[in-house]
Amino acid sequence: EAQVTQNPRYLITVTGKKLTVTCSQNMNHEYMSWYRQDPGLGLRQIYYSMNVEVTDKGDVPEGYKVSRKEKRNFPLILESPSPNQTSLYFCASSSTSAGEQYFGPGTRLTVT
Amino acid sequence: GQSLEQPSEVTAVEGAIVQMNCTYQTSGFYGLSWYQQHDGGAPTFLSYNALDGLEETGRFSSFLSRSDSYGYLLLQELQMKDSASYFCAGNGPGYSSASKIIFGSGTRLSIRP
Repeated sequence: EAQVTQNPRYLITVTGKKLTVTCSQNMNHEYMSWYRQDPGLGLRQIYYSMNVEVTDKGDVPEGYKVSRKEKRNFPLILESPSPNQTSLYFCASSSTSAGEQYFGPGTRLTVT
Repeated sequence: GQSLEQPSEVTAVEGAIVQMNCTYQTSGFYGLSWYQQHDGGAPTFLSYNALDGLEETGRFSSFLSRSDSYGYLLLQELQMKDSASYFCAGNGPGYSSASKIIFGSGTRLSIRP
């Protein structure tokens, strides 16, 4: 089954404790992306990757890091999480940056 | 920065037709996509307009006019299950940001019997 998986689905952590949210896709897609979703603000792109070892900033990259060492995986790293990073996070993949993106189920992160 | 504007809420009657608009201040977005998101779920793709004009997929149609910086999603024969939030998303703006994706803040569609 074609899918994008994210782990964990729910995470409660404390300020400053490094965390990683994993994202994996099995569709051989080149384009992958991370979004955060906050009430009233829609989805905002954090980082995207056009292919292995090619990443670029989206609209809200501050406080986040990503890596793309393999085509299927695109982890999101929060080196020192802060309460303003409490949000719902989605990973997505697609064959190109245009057109249909497939979204993961989301990760709800709470930073206290 | 650039943004895509969407009305926050729309209410429509079951069986009717509804149009949800998406506008932006200046041109420069390469293509416009539409996504549906039910409460508690992930966005799912509905339609994509690479060029100006109308794209039709079953009960859903999407329209883009880049010269007017405007697009819309049209839903026909509304069903209760269509109650959800609908987001437009554009690539760009500008050639140097063509791989970036900007989402509108979404329109929450409520269907009444």
